[in-house]
Amino acid sequence: GAVVSQHPSWVICKSGTSVKIECRSLDFQATTMFWYRQFPKQSLMLMATSNEGSKATYEQGVEKDKFLINHASLTLSTLTVTSAHPEDSSFYICSAKTGGYYGYTFGSGTRLTVV
Amino acid sequence: AQSVTQLDSHVSVSEGTPVLLRCNYSSSYSPSLFWYVQHPNKGLQLLLKYTSAATLVKGINGFEAEFKKSETSFHLTKPSAHMSDAAEYFCVVSDDYNKLIFGAGTRLAVHP
Repeated sequence: GAVVSQHPSWVICKSGTSVKIECRSLDFQATTMFWYRQFPKQSLMLMATSNEGSKATYEQGVEKDKFLINHASLTLSTLTVTSAHPEDSSFYICSAKTGGYYGYTFGSGTRLTVV
Repeated sequence: AQSVTQLDSHVSVSEGTPVLLRCNYSSSYSPSLFWYVQHPNKGLQLLLKYTSAATLVKGINGFEAEFKKSETSFHLTKPSAHMSDAAEYFCVVSDDYNKLIFGAGTRLAVHP
């Protein structure tokens, strides 16, 4: 089945630095990818929808300049957390629209801790 | 607008007993509904989905869910819980098959 690889699985960074998270579709072309954020013991909140070759669509309340999304190819979308602060610490999950029975495939997530 | 309400934040069962995780949805259109499972610090795995075919949907690992339009419900059940079922479960709705709206989640604990 369709597989989405997300890495790193965990990262620790200092306040003020930037962190890039990659999401790759391994055996299919993903024209649409989604980025979610999940706080501890909470649900997933959609941050943005990423379409290959065009600008991402951000959900209301998500800072575009802080969470930079690039979807330059059909197999790779990246989320860059710029000038990270401790409140950005969270679990970030990507998903790709695959169609077929599954509809969507999720990455394994990235645990970001900003110190 | 579409929304999902998972009626229980925590459910605790004994191994071998039935599991019931409740979900109600609100949608202006004929919805697509999903149940996903998430183990700690892991991504999400699709258990099953409903897309206007049979109202009783069978999924993986013995789970099934019944779509009841009159009750706007999509409850997840399993006849006999296993220790490995302990996880977080999310009920999800999608109206246009592009955006998924997640419920708050139900944490299932399974005791020996």
